[in-house]
Amino acid sequence: AQSVTQPDIHITVSEGASLELRCNYSYGATPYLFWYVQSPGQGLQLLLKYFSGDTLVQGIKGFEAEFKRSQSSFNLRKPSVHWSDAAEYFCAVSASGTYKYIFGTGTRLKVLA
Amino acid sequence: EAQVTQNPRYLITVTGKKLTVTCSQNMNHEYMSWYRQDPGLGLRQIYYSMNVEVTDKGDVPEGYKVSRKEKRNFPLILESPSPNQTSLYFCASRPGGYRGNTEAFFGQGTRLTVV
Repeated sequence: AQSVTQPDIHITVSEGASLELRCNYSYGATPYLFWYVQSPGQGLQLLLKYFSGDTLVQGIKGFEAEFKRSQSSFNLRKPSVHWSDAAEYFCAVSASGTYKYIFGTGTRLKVLA
Repeated sequence: EAQVTQNPRYLITVTGKKLTVTCSQNMNHEYMSWYRQDPGLGLRQIYYSMNVEVTDKGDVPEGYKVSRKEKRNFPLILESPSPNQTSLYFCASRPGGYRGNTEAFFGQGTRLTVV
């Protein structure tokens, strides 16, 4: 069965520090991968997506993610975190031929001033 | 502006009192779905619709109903709400086609409390 694992429930970083949020997926073929961000009281906003091609994808707000097939991972990174990045981050997979997203359980990011 | 609109944003109700959460999208998307978000569980799909008059169960459909009479609207109905349906609900829409490589657009969420 398809699944998405986000091993870190909470992460705390200082403003200006680098960030990496982990995401591992389980799926037989190449999945379509997404990262969404949920700011407090808000809906989900797409940060970036991977469908095919270059395994390093750039997104909005300075985020990037790298697809590593051998590790079944799609980790999200940002070189320098801003206080406004404090939010909950969700990794999701959408299998070819379906419309269903499988979400991870989310990682809540706290940013220290 | 492309958007998915849910109403209400917040709702407190009593056990057993029927309620409807509305969802509307203005992007002419074929596919719409409902998710619930619970701490530690992420988002789980309740129901989805591939197009008008085509709906199917997701992972956690018990206690919910949906309808898709128009392409733009996909209401979520709780006929007899119970406290375990207290949750944050999201409606989402995506373009059609058979491939999964499309972005979903989410509403702002509806926080439901059943007492």
